Amino acid sequence: GAGVSQTPSNKVTEKGKYVELRCDPISGHTALYWYRQSLGQGPEFLIYFQGTGAADDSGLPNDRFFAVRPEGSVSTLKIQRTERGDSAVYLCASSHPLSGANVLTFGAGSRLTVL
Amino acid sequence: DAKTTQPNSMESNEEEPVHLPCNHSTISGTDYIHWYRQLPSQGPEYVIHGLTSNVNNRMASLAIAEDRKSSTLILHRATLRDAAVYYCIPRAGYSTLTFGKGTMLLVSP
Repeated sequence: GAGVSQTPSNKVTEKGKYVELRCDPISGHTALYWYRQSLGQGPEFLIYFQGTGAADDSGLPNDRFFAVRPEGSVSTLKIQRTERGDSAVYLCASSHPLSGANVLTFGAGSRLTVL
Repeated sequence: DAKTTQPNSMESNEEEPVHLPCNHSTISGTDYIHWYRQLPSQGPEYVIHGLTSNVNNRMASLAIAEDRKSSTLILHRATLRDAAVYYCIPRAGYSTLTFGKGTMLLVSP
């Protein structure tokens, strides 16, 4: 597609539930990033994929958070036993590392609300 | 990661130039200076980047101090669509982007 697509755009869930957020990157972009953004803050890095493998997962806050990218394209961020503090906008970005400055193109985000 | 300091907010009038400052005194010699902006309800978007020389593109200009401890993003004629949060990000090579709080730019008609 022309841009990075994220679904759902909005998700409301109850505390303790399991949530999956999907990211469809720009075709041909081998690098994929997940960030989360709380109100009034800048985006916070979670995890970075190069191809199918997680090259850097140092930003995942705890073991309730997990992300996969099995075929090197679409990625899913999975959150188990959600907590109210997980409420945020989850942003996905993709890039082609061989293209100049490795500019990241972001999607519009998935807004997660945990009640 | 190099620490950055940006004003929390700035105001401008439409069609006037805007100079958005950023201090990055701990930047390393090989870090590029990237600028991204985030419009309301959207993800961040790339604006411009540079290493030592001033840079221009269709969106903005980037002026980098000779000692590289500060830089200024210049919007030559602000429009209402330029109202956004602007992030200055020193970046080593292909490392991940580390965002601060940025500067919220308000543009009045």
